[in-house]
Amino acid sequence: DARVTQTPRHKVTEMGQEVTMRCQPILGHNTVFWYRQTMMQGLELLAYFRNRAPLDDSGMPKDRFSAEMPDATLATLKIQPSEPRDSAVYFCASGLVRAGGARETQYFGPGTRLLVL
Amino acid sequence: AQSVTQLDSQVPVFEEAPVELRCNYSSSVSVYLFWYVQYPNQGLQLLLKYLSGSTLVKGINGFEAEFNKSQTSFHLRKPSVHISDTAEYFCAVGEEGSEKLVFGKGTKLTVNP
Repeated sequence: DARVTQTPRHKVTEMGQEVTMRCQPILGHNTVFWYRQTMMQGLELLAYFRNRAPLDDSGMPKDRFSAEMPDATLATLKIQPSEPRDSAVYFCASGLVRAGGARETQYFGPGTRLLVL
Repeated sequence: AQSVTQLDSQVPVFEEAPVELRCNYSSSVSVYLFWYVQYPNQGLQLLLKYLSGSTLVKGINGFEAEFNKSQTSFHLRKPSVHISDTAEYFCAVGEEGSEKLVFGKGTKLTVNP
């Protein structure tokens, strides 16, 4: 069974530290999404890439968050510096998505649970 | 821009009882509708989706949903639930012309013995 993998699964850090979360999409998928899940806001889209190119990062706090796809098998989400309000579960999802194609299924990873003290 | 409202944040039911989880959406263009399920400490997985055609959609684990365009709803139903159906359920909407999905806040279904 092909799956999206995410590392680390859990991360506890102190305010001000850099956090890097990694995602390996399903082989052959061309689109990667990053979401953040909190009790208050629910599931929010932070950014997404197609064919490794960033398409939309309007959901991301620009001053401290950055997302990249250094190659087709790795997507990263970095927070620098981290703040307590960044505590959340961060999900990566991948899919085979054509332009303008919200009809395709997104496959979610297990998430990274981040706690910033 | 599209939006999704899940009317119930928590739904407790007894085992073998029927259940309906409600979802309403707002959009000005053609939509695609999804239900995802999240088990504790796991990612979301697709239950079912409506793209076009028949308004009654059947999914995994005995779930089904009905698309009602006039009421802008996509309610999820199961005639008889099991303890193992305890999870959080998310409704999501996507629009033609966009790759994005917008998710509702989720409904926690708790099935009691």
